[in-house]
Amino acid sequence: SYEVTQPLSVSEALGQTARITCGGNNIGSKNVHWYQQKPGQAPVLVIYRDSNRPSGIPERFSGSNSGNTATLTISRAQAGDEADYYCQVWDSSTVVFGGGTKLTVL
Amino acid sequence: QVQLVQSGAEVKKPGASVKVSCTASGYTFTAYFMHWVRQAPGQGLEWMGWINPNSGGTNYAQKFQGRVTMTRDTSISTAYMELSRLRSDDTAVYYCAGQYGSGSGPFDPWGQGTLVTVSS
Repeated sequence: SYEVTQPLSVSEALGQTARITCGGNNIGSKNVHWYQQKPGQAPVLVIYRDSNRPSGIPERFSGSNSGNTATLTISRAQAGDEADYYCQVWDSSTVVFGGGTKLTVL
Repeated sequence: QVQLVQSGAEVKKPGASVKVSCTASGYTFTAYFMHWVRQAPGQGLEWMGWINPNSGGTNYAQKFQGRVTMTRDTSISTAYMELSRLRSDDTAVYYCAGQYGSGSGPFDPWGQGTLVTVSS
């Protein structure tokens, strides 16, 4: 079965650029979706199909996907961006989530 | 607006079954596949399967096959997830999530989650 790998944690200074990766075999050939989850809340879609932002998501959130790595980039990181982030792909008719990355904004 | 509202928290004994509901509003119920995702305390997201509300067709993650049943009632725009033979490690928050159309689309919206506690 297909697996995707995320770092357990990422830390970045306030106002800097945070990058969260999602690794998988030839993941560049798949659509990658990203979700933000704050404590006690349901996940929220922040990037879909690699690089598209749903309405209401700040332009500071962007995504890319190539080769074996997809990346969620959060520019000008704010304290309110602290959360767990999950990547998600489809493998045939099943769904795979990454293990999640905790973003800390210092 | 597009919204999914789930049933309330449940406490079950090991070996019992639980049935969680998810009621959609603000969109055509049959236009979105409905997925179920769970999250054990302090853990990540785990996909359980989907139901096509239009046809009733389902696809379950291999881990849950034989224990999970997903159904729907289109007359009240509600999807259900029933998990049987509960164990303590089934304690988790269970989410429903909509996926527009078919294919490899994202999950949006999500329900608020239903806490299921399995304890003797």
